[in-house]
Amino acid sequence: TQLLEQSPQFLSIQEGENLTVYCNSSSVFSSLQWYRQEPGEGPVLLVTVVTGGEVKKLKRLTFQFGDARKDSSLHITAAQPGDTGLYLCAGASNQGGKLIFGQGTELSVKP
Amino acid sequence: DTGVSQDPRHKITKRGQNVTFRCDPISEHNRLYWYRQTLGQGPEFLTYFQNEAQLEKSRLLSDRFSAERPKGSFSTLEIQRTEQGDSAMYLCACGTSGNTDTQYFGPGTRLTVL
Repeated sequence: TQLLEQSPQFLSIQEGENLTVYCNSSSVFSSLQWYRQEPGEGPVLLVTVVTGGEVKKLKRLTFQFGDARKDSSLHITAAQPGDTGLYLCAGASNQGGKLIFGQGTELSVKP
Repeated sequence: DTGVSQDPRHKITKRGQNVTFRCDPISEHNRLYWYRQTLGQGPEFLTYFQNEAQLEKSRLLSDRFSAERPKGSFSTLEIQRTEQGDSAMYLCACGTSGNTDTQYFGPGTRLTVL
């Protein structure tokens, strides 16, 4: 069974601080996705990482895929209140088309 | 707006009633997925279709749940004899068989069973 563990589960920081969210597994994934979800809405895709060691940047967000394709991280520089939300990592299952999600990291950025 | 719509956005029902949700995916996407998300958790896979064929069902999908995609476009998810444990956000996502890793989610249907 493929599982993804996210840490931390909750993060409350002040505007301007940096943070890193981790997504770990004992299984290899063909790709990992990061989503952001606001209350009462569906997840919105931020990025897909495919190659081991890959780094992608999206403005102040930096995503990295581990060399062994078992883990990923999301780093936010100079967090802003607009970054508040639930961040989800998801891996493409090696059995069919479904995504396997981590339990999410609830981020709160206070002004 | 991802281009995926779901209806209704909210549904409150009494235990034992049947409910049906609808998902309209992005028109050129041949894959459609259903997930369920409870408070404080990530989405859990329920089932998916490629065109009109249902290719996989999770163990989570009890015999009270049924999903259809009759013409390979919109899909419906029906829950019969609802239970309080069915209360959750039901999410629909779509993608293509050529790029199965990338899925676009709708806004979800929030079900509350009283």
